[in-house]
Parts: sequence; structure tokens; C-alpha cells
Amino acid sequence: AQSVTQLDSHVSVSEGTPVLLRCNYSSSYSPSLFWYVQHPNKGLQLLLKYTSAATLVKGINGFEAEFKKSETSFHLTKPSAHMSDAAEYFCVVSDRAGGFKTIFGAGTRLFVKA
Amino acid sequence: EAGVTQFPSHSVIEKGQTVTLRCDPISGHDNLYWYRRVMGKEIKFLLHFVKESKQDESGMPNNRFLAERTGGTYSTLKVQPAELEDSGVYFCASSQGGGHQGPYGYTFGSGTRLTVV
Repeated sequence: AQSVTQLDSHVSVSEGTPVLLRCNYSSSYSPSLFWYVQHPNKGLQLLLKYTSAATLVKGINGFEAEFKKSETSFHLTKPSAHMSDAAEYFCVVSDRAGGFKTIFGAGTRLFVKA
Repeated sequence: EAGVTQFPSHSVIEKGQTVTLRCDPISGHDNLYWYRRVMGKEIKFLLHFVKESKQDESGMPNNRFLAERTGGTYSTLKVQPAELEDSGVYFCASSQGGGHQGPYGYTFGSGTRLTVV
């Protein structure tokens, strides 16, 4: 069965320092993996997605994620945090075994300190 | 193009009352999805429409929830009667096709925050 675990409920970084949001998944088949971001009072916005092409995926706003099958991980990174990155981030998995249903992680809230 | 629109943005109702949430997908998107995030929990799938037909409603929690999509355009999600545990944020998403696996992906609305008191 599919599952997604976001290892940190909250992450706090200083502006200009790197961001690492961790995600582990479980999937019986080759999964598709996604990261979404939700800013306050806004909809969920797709940051990036992995669908069995290049394992290093670049997204919007300088974010990227690397699919590591051996570690069943899909961690989200950004070299330098900006105040506007403060938001909640969701890791998502979808695969054929699950009927392509979308399974969300519990979310990681990112705080950025000046 | 206009995005996915949901209203109301917030709703506070008393236990036992009825509430209807509305979602207007992006024009031309045949696929419409409802999700819910109960406080402190994950965002969970509720159901999926393809045009006016329910493709998958396996996530609907119980028969107090009724979703419709007449004419394959906007959709409504009615909760009747509302219970305290129904409080949360209800998201709608639409897609041209292929779901999350396809090239188009989803576009989410900003959600309706429902509070049942």
C-alpha cells in the first residue's frame, strides 16, 4: 500500500540558509511523487513532480528534489531560504497499485527567520 | 485563465445544520476532485468526478456527505446534518485529464474552512 511520511512537522531556518524538508514514501510500483506548497489563505500549488524521468527534479522558486529509490526518499531542498518560502509543504505519492489515488503526507510547516 | 474557485472561503455552522460547499473548476477541465483536511490530519481524498459522473467516491466518509456535478461544470458538496468531526478544510482540484500521472497535473482551489460548533 502507498504511504507518505514527512519526517518533520515543523522546520525553522534563517533567511539565506539551506532548506531541507524530508519525505519518505512506500509504494508497490514505480511511484509518481510531488511536492506542493500552501501559503496562508491560498490554494495548494505544485512545486515539482517526479514521474520516472530524471531523478533530480527542479521546480519553481529554486526548489528541487531528488528521487532515491534505494532510500525510498524524495527530500525537498533549496540552497537559500527566502522569507516568502514560509508556508506549509506537502509530499504526495501516486501509483498504479493505488488506482492512481493521491496520498498526501501530513505536511511540514517551514518557518523562515530574518 | 481563472483558477479553481471555491466558496464560501469560510463557514461556521451549528451541529445538525446543513452546509453546501461549491467548487468551480477551470473551464474545460473534465476531472474534478474533492479532498478534505481535518485538523491535525493529512489531506484525504473524498471523490473524483469525470464530467458529471462519479468515477471514484471511495473516500466519502459516510452518507451525510453528498456530492453532485450537474452538467459537468461546477460541483457541490453538501453535508447534512453536520457533525463536529466534519470541521476542517475542504479542497477542490480540477484537471484536464490523466490525473496526477498525466501531463497536466492538478490545480487546487484555496479551500473552504468549515467549522461546526
